[in-house]
Amino acid sequence: EVQLVESGGGLVKPGGSLRLSCAASGFTFSSYSMNWVRQAPGKGLEWVSSISSSSSYIYYADSVKGRFTISRDNAKNSLYLQMNSLRAEDTAVYYCARAVTVTTPDYWGQGTLVTVSS
Amino acid sequence: SSELTQDPAVSVALGQTVRITCQGDSLRSYYASWYQQKPGQAPVLVIYGKNNRPSGIPDRFSGSSSGNTASLTITGAQAEDEADYYCNSRDSSGNPFGGGTKLTVL
Repeated sequence: EVQLVESGGGLVKPGGSLRLSCAASGFTFSSYSMNWVRQAPGKGLEWVSSISSSSSYIYYADSVKGRFTISRDNAKNSLYLQMNSLRAEDTAVYYCARAVTVTTPDYWGQGTLVTVSS
Repeated sequence: SSELTQDPAVSVALGQTVRITCQGDSLRSYYASWYQQKPGQAPVLVIYGKNNRPSGIPDRFSGSSSGNTASLTITGAQAEDEADYYCNSRDSSGNPFGGGTKLTVL
């Protein structure tokens, strides 16, 4: 059974940093691209970033480019999102998702809430 | 903003058929995927590719496409189908997800 478990969310002040983690199990992690997708309270889904299976290809939404960094550790079956210079508009539930194409997920984690507020 | 356009809300009577649409230029080249999201839950993939359902998705869900429009059809809608539905297309400029459609089952 595919499982994706996010962690690392919380309350952070504007301008602060946070690192999200996603622990994957139930599939060959090193064979899949992975995504981060977020959802602001009461809003729709917004793709944030994608990383290919070997980290050769990395993509970001314009809204986070230069502030967020996606990475992965295939030996640890883990995906990460380093978020710097956080803004109020980054407040959202952040989902880790396995990708069937670069920006098309199939399995999703349950999400972790990031709140940016003073 | 989304490059894939969906109607914000659609309603259907219990047991009737409903079509949820998604429009965008990328759909001329790629199939849409569709996700169902219930309140407080993560999205679930219900349709991908030409018209494929992941294991466990009821066969009342189907997908189709014509030109720049993709459709998700629910034939014989059930109360448990009430949810938000999002389309997704690879290589869509901007956000690859549509804005979502809230489906109400009356």
